[in-house]
Amino acid sequence: AQTVTQSQPEMSVQEAETVTLSCTYDTSESDYYLFWYKQPPSRQMILVIRQEAYKQQNATENRFSVNFQKAAKSFSLKISDSQLGDAAMYFCAYPGGTSYGKLTFGQGTILTVHP
Amino acid sequence: DGGITQSPKYLFRKEGQNVTLSCEQNLNHDAMYWYRQDPGQGLRLIYYSQIVNDFQKGDIAEGYSVSREKKESFPLTVTSAQKNPTAFYLCASSIDVQGFGEQFFGPGTRLTVL
Repeated sequence: AQTVTQSQPEMSVQEAETVTLSCTYDTSESDYYLFWYKQPPSRQMILVIRQEAYKQQNATENRFSVNFQKAAKSFSLKISDSQLGDAAMYFCAYPGGTSYGKLTFGQGTILTVHP
Repeated sequence: DGGITQSPKYLFRKEGQNVTLSCEQNLNHDAMYWYRQDPGQGLRLIYYSQIVNDFQKGDIAEGYSVSREKKESFPLTVTSAQKNPTAFYLCASSIDVQGFGEQFFGPGTRLTVL
């Protein structure tokens, strides 16, 4: 079974500082995507960033970047210059190449941003 | 604006009743999904559909049923067989049925059993 593990139930960061959220996954696939989603207090799920496994380059979206280590099956999210609006629950998700788009989510990490 | 709508936002059910949660999308996406989220936990897949008139069970399908009569609609019925239905329910859609594309989520429905 495919699994996704987020080992940090809660993290906190000072405004303007950098924080890294961890995620590991298990797969036998060679080509796949990985996603980080954000769920703010409104509970609306929002895509933060997507990584294609066959690409060597780590994905970047403004202040959000990933550290993708394919061999280690690790997919961490780095948030730079943290803002109060970044406070949310963050989920790592893996769909798998042959699982017909079914997303397997990690348990989530609650991020608190201190002013 | 394109997107996914879910209704109602809040739903209360008495024990023994069936209730139906609505999910509509105007994104022209082929794939649609229903997830359940319990407090402090990740999302778990209930059912998914890749094409009209076809759907598949997810990881926790017992006590739930769905239909996909139209491309844009994927309603979820929570039956009386679901023993612990109080949860937050999220509907999602994707243009890609193989899992290489982003899933777009609706705003969710909070179901409470009285």
